[in-house]
Amino acid sequence: KAGVTQTPRYLIKTRGQQVTLSCSPISGHRSVSWYQQTPGQGLQFLFEYFSETQRNKGNFPGRFSGRQFSNSRSEMNVSTLELGDSALYLCASSLDSSSRDTQYFGPGTRLTVL
Amino acid sequence: AQSVTQLGSHVSVSEGALVLLRCNYSSSVPPYLFWYVQYPNQGLQLLLKYTTGATLVKGINGFEAEFKKSETSFHLTKPSAHMSDAAEYFCAVSGGANNLFFGTGTRLTVIP
Repeated sequence: KAGVTQTPRYLIKTRGQQVTLSCSPISGHRSVSWYQQTPGQGLQFLFEYFSETQRNKGNFPGRFSGRQFSNSRSEMNVSTLELGDSALYLCASSLDSSSRDTQYFGPGTRLTVL
Repeated sequence: AQSVTQLGSHVSVSEGALVLLRCNYSSSVPPYLFWYVQYPNQGLQLLLKYTTGATLVKGINGFEAEFKKSETSFHLTKPSAHMSDAAEYFCAVSGGANNLFFGTGTRLTVIP
């Protein structure tokens, strides 16, 4: 079974632009979560989508948004990019929206904001 | 609320020596605990997890961890380190909602 895939793997943007990242979960998984990883703040939860609905949201500004499609694929959007948004963005999928489910991570999208 | 503390941001061991990576958690609900490993330029790979039942959990690559409620700990061990174990290790807790709270990570160096 194919793992979680994320596209693109690398992105370079400039301040003020917006960006969209894509995540395809493992087949049959209905929950998709997004995390931001930076050297300073570590791994932080952004949001979780299940059945096209946002179930949980971390402590990030409204510039960070996401959505999930009927096939469980998910996109994350960041508007008005800031230098501090440079990070590795990780997507994880799980079978269901249960806290005991294992989350399987993709390779990440590395975003650089100049 | 949930949180995780990983003691030691860097740990060095000799090849063949015991690996011990420490993790303490805080949780207002019964915790589910996870250890993940991250190799350079890759995502996170699950090593093992504790949900309920047996408190000694065995994972992949010879790793295991013991859930100790009285000590709020979930330390990761491996009897004999291998060069391929060099990576960053993250302890995480969830509970209540399907989101993971991660520790700050421990970078493991294996000395030949």
